[in-house]
Parts: sequence; C-alpha cells; structure tokens
Amino acid sequence: EDQVTQSPEALRLQEGESSSLNCSYTVSGLRGLFWYRQDPGKGPEFLFTLYSAGEEKEKERLKATLTKKESFLHITAPKPEDSATYLCAVQAEQAGTALIFGKGTTLSVSS
Amino acid sequence: EPEVTQTPSHQVTQMGQEVILRCVPISNHLYFYWYRQILGQKVEFLVSFYNNEISEKSEIFDDQFSVERPDGSNFTLKIRSTKLEDSAMYFCASSEYPGGKNVLTFGAGSRLTVL
Repeated sequence: EDQVTQSPEALRLQEGESSSLNCSYTVSGLRGLFWYRQDPGKGPEFLFTLYSAGEEKEKERLKATLTKKESFLHITAPKPEDSATYLCAVQAEQAGTALIFGKGTTLSVSS
Repeated sequence: EPEVTQTPSHQVTQMGQEVILRCVPISNHLYFYWYRQILGQKVEFLVSFYNNEISEKSEIFDDQFSVERPDGSNFTLKIRSTKLEDSAMYFCASSEYPGGKNVLTFGAGSRLTVL
C-alpha cells in the first residue's frame, strides 16, 4: 500500500533556528513528490515538485531534497511568517493522478 | 495570480440533505479534482475529472457523490444524502497537466458541517 509519513508532527523553532522536516514514503513507483504549505483555514499552496533521487529545489529559506525513500524540507533561518503546516504528497504510478498526502508537520516560529 | 474559487466557504446542513459545493477552476486548466480533509486528518483524494468525465475516483467517492461541469467555468461536487461523517473541509483543485507534472492549485475550501 502506498503511504506517506511525515515527522515530526509539530515543530517549534526560534526565529533564525534552522531545522528539517522529514517525509518518508512507500510507493510502488514514484512519479513525483510534492511539498505544499497550508495556512489555517486555507487550501494547500504549492511549494516544490521533485521527481528523482538526488534532486534539490530551493525557494527563499526553503530547500527540498529527495532520496529513494524520503524527502527533507530544510528551513534555513526561519521567520515567524514561515509558521504553517507543511504537507508532503506523492503521486504513485499505480494511483493515476491522485496525490497521497501525509498528515503534515505544523511549524511554529517565534520571534 | 490566477486562483481557484470555492463557494460556499461554510455550509451547515442536516443529515440526509443534499449539498452542492461549487468551484471555479483556473481558466486554462483542463484537469479538475476534489479532495477532502476531515479535521485533524490527512488530505484525501476523492475524484479527478477531465474532458467532461470522471478519470479516477477513490473508495470514498461512492454513489452518494457526483461531480459535474455544468458550464464552461463551474465544477461542482454534489453529496446526495449527507451523513455525519461527511463533515469535512472539501478542497477543489485544478491543474494544467495530468501525471507527474500535475502541479495542483487548490482553492481555499468549503467547510461542510452535517448535524
């Protein structure tokens, strides 16, 4: 069964304190791995897509990396406005176009 | 920036009533989706729609659910006879491409509360 597990469930950081979020996946064949950001009461907002092991993408303070079993979202020197829930999702070859989501990591950054 | 628009933002209904949730996808997108998120749980796929027909659906999407694109802009999700367990946030999404390039743009969601 295709599965996505994210850890930790919640993470509290001080402003400027870098850290990483983990997304472990088990899929029959990976078509793509997606990172989304979700603010309270809103829909997921696209951040990155990764397609193959070794690939990396960067956007401002965020950097996503991918291996054959997991992806990391690295947050460098976070600011309070980075506080949100970060969702990881995979698209598996046998699941068509459906995305399989993890439960997310809720990040709180305090000043 | 183009966005996906959903209405209503919140709907309260009695068990057994029919509900229609509406979505206006991004105008040049061809693929449309509904996902739901029960409070505290994962975002779950319901259905995908392309070329005026359902492409894929999950086990959740049973005979109580239906989707329609009644005109060139709207995309609707109908729940025929709501149950308590249908209470959730329903997200509409659209994408330009299918497959591995389908970066989904989500709407803000419609919160459905079934009493």
